[in-house]
Amino acid sequence: DTAVSQTPKYLVTQMGNDKSIKCEQNLGHDTMYWYKQDSKKFLKIMFSYNNKELIINETVPNRFSPKSPDKAHLNLHINSLELGDSAVYFCASSQDFSSGSRADTQYFGPGTRLTVL
Amino acid sequence: DQQVKQNSPSLSVQEGRISILNCDYTNSMFDYFLWYKKYPAEGPTFLISISSIKDKNEDGRFTVFLNKSAKHLSLHIVPSQPGDSAVYFCAASRGGGKLIFGQGTELSVKP
Repeated sequence: DTAVSQTPKYLVTQMGNDKSIKCEQNLGHDTMYWYKQDSKKFLKIMFSYNNKELIINETVPNRFSPKSPDKAHLNLHINSLELGDSAVYFCASSQDFSSGSRADTQYFGPGTRLTVL
Repeated sequence: DQQVKQNSPSLSVQEGRISILNCDYTNSMFDYFLWYKKYPAEGPTFLISISSIKDKNEDGRFTVFLNKSAKHLSLHIVPSQPGDSAVYFCAASRGGGKLIFGQGTELSVKP
């Protein structure tokens, strides 16, 4: 009964390809996130969705497109992959912060290691 | 501009002793702070948090201290156990769900 799950765990692909990473949470949370951990180990937020609505969109290339079919799922699609996209991508979820309650405690998935050759 | 910094990339401690992990931040608007623990090939796991209205929060062997005037927080683990060996990340928030993470400190607890 994994709380936040991601598939696949490892993804190796060629430059120029399009790939997707899937994320699902069974915690009943309303908000989901995508983070990127680069080679220097920094975890940086990319996107946040609250009830299927985009809330946070950091300066991420528009080759990255998140899609939330429902509040339990947030997928990440990447077009025209580049070498610099190689990283570990983490999905996370938290309670609904828009209700005014502090809901910054985020729960992370196991990560997807993307390698672009 | 790194708003949250963990200046020690690694720390080695003997089992049973205290581990102290430090974190500094620059943005005075941060009002909520968290510590996460991460094992290799796993996602970060929430450990403990503290609101800026407090200066200390304790949960079992883990205590987080916040010094707002110094813009500094620390995580104390007492007593340290070999299973505590992991990378520890501090994170800060000013609301809205956006966490800013430090670069992590790798803790090694020797038996």
